[in-house]
Amino acid sequence: NAGVMQNPRHLVRRRGQEARLRCSPMKGHSHVYWYRQLPEEGLKFMVYLQKENIIDESGMPKERFSAEFPKEGPSILRIQQVVRGDSAAYFCASSPEEKLFFGSGTQLSVL
Amino acid sequence: AQSVAQPEDQVNVAEGNPLTVKCTYSVSGNPYLFWYVQYPNRGLQFLLKYITGDNLVKGSYGFEAEFNKSQTSFHLKKPSALVSDSALYFCAVNLNTGGFKTIFGAGTRLFVKA
Repeated sequence: NAGVMQNPRHLVRRRGQEARLRCSPMKGHSHVYWYRQLPEEGLKFMVYLQKENIIDESGMPKERFSAEFPKEGPSILRIQQVVRGDSAAYFCASSPEEKLFFGSGTQLSVL
Repeated sequence: AQSVAQPEDQVNVAEGNPLTVKCTYSVSGNPYLFWYVQYPNRGLQFLLKYITGDNLVKGSYGFEAEFNKSQTSFHLKKPSALVSDSALYFCAVNLNTGGFKTIFGAGTRLFVKA
């Protein structure tokens, strides 16, 4: 059973471009979470999704950020018109219950 | 506001000595409590959890944690540290409110010196 798969591992964007981060949960897991980690900071909750539903997006910035978890395919975290402050490691986790399984993250660098 | 606090940015211990990494939380209800570990350039890995029952829970790699309800603490411990334990440790709380939203502390970096 493959773990949580995130791609790309590294993503470089120029200011104003769009960033798309993908996450394939572990087989059988119906819950997906996105977190952002900044240097010297902990993990900040962004959004919690189940298939085709956003359950809790209280940690998502109001503008430019969106997330989806379609019926088929991976979960996508989308950042439009990226700014330098978006540079961070973005982690996806999935779970069947309360314990989280994390992917290796996507390091987003905005030039 | 619900929060998790790890008061130490860094903990330094000598190999073979006991270690403690502190965690306190401020959450309503009866949350589930966790410790996760992060190695460089990797995602977080589950160490242990407390849901109910015995206040001392044992986890992976010889780690254990003690739940103290009156002090709202969940400190991570290990009787004898190894150099390979050096990593970033996160305390986390699952709010147990019908979903599995989990909030994390800021992390504590553990250095174990040979």
